[in-house]
Amino acid sequence: KAGVTQTPRYLIKTRGQQVTLSCSPISGHRSVSWYQQTPGQGLQFLFEYFSETQRNKGNFPGRFSGRQFSNSRSEMNVSTLELGDSALYLCASSLVPTGGGISTEAFFGQGTRLTVV
Amino acid sequence: KNEVEQSPQNLTAQEGEFITINCSYSVGISALHWLQQHPGGGIVSLFMLSSGKKKHGRLIATINIQEKHSSLHITASHPRDSAVYICAVFPWGETSGSRLTFGEGTQLTVNP
Repeated sequence: KAGVTQTPRYLIKTRGQQVTLSCSPISGHRSVSWYQQTPGQGLQFLFEYFSETQRNKGNFPGRFSGRQFSNSRSEMNVSTLELGDSALYLCASSLVPTGGGISTEAFFGQGTRLTVV
Repeated sequence: KNEVEQSPQNLTAQEGEFITINCSYSVGISALHWLQQHPGGGIVSLFMLSSGKKKHGRLIATINIQEKHSSLHITASHPRDSAVYICAVFPWGETSGSRLTFGEGTQLTVNP
């Protein structure tokens, strides 16, 4: 069974540009969460999607957005890139969202390393 | 104060030693993850716990819900165990969903 696939693995962009990152969850998983990892802030939650709907959003500016398709694949978009957006972006998939007494294990992808110059 | 605190931040051990990494959290949780991250970035889920104890090979994870504390133990440590170990929790609540809150991680180095 294939794991969580993130593309691309590495990306270099210029300030002001926009970028789209992709995440394909494990087959059958319907929940996808996105996280940003930086040396200064550690791992921080960006947003979560389930059944094509955003269920949760972290404390990030509106330049960060995402969506989920009917096949559960998810994309995140960052517009007007800033130097501080340089980070490892990780997505995690799970069968369903955790909550309401249900806990489902999260499986992470390898991440996309974004460098903004 | 972070909702999830790990100790120690850095740990150096000799091959074969027994290792313990601790995690304390201050919020109600649905479950707790122990994660491993190697250089290069990818994160591997080692355990998900909501109570008791789990064992996988040389790794053992325990959780005490009343004390809001979890430990990850590595028996007979090996240089390939060198990595960052991260404790992460699913905070309790209908709206929290699969929103993990992370500790800062423990950098483990095992020397041969």
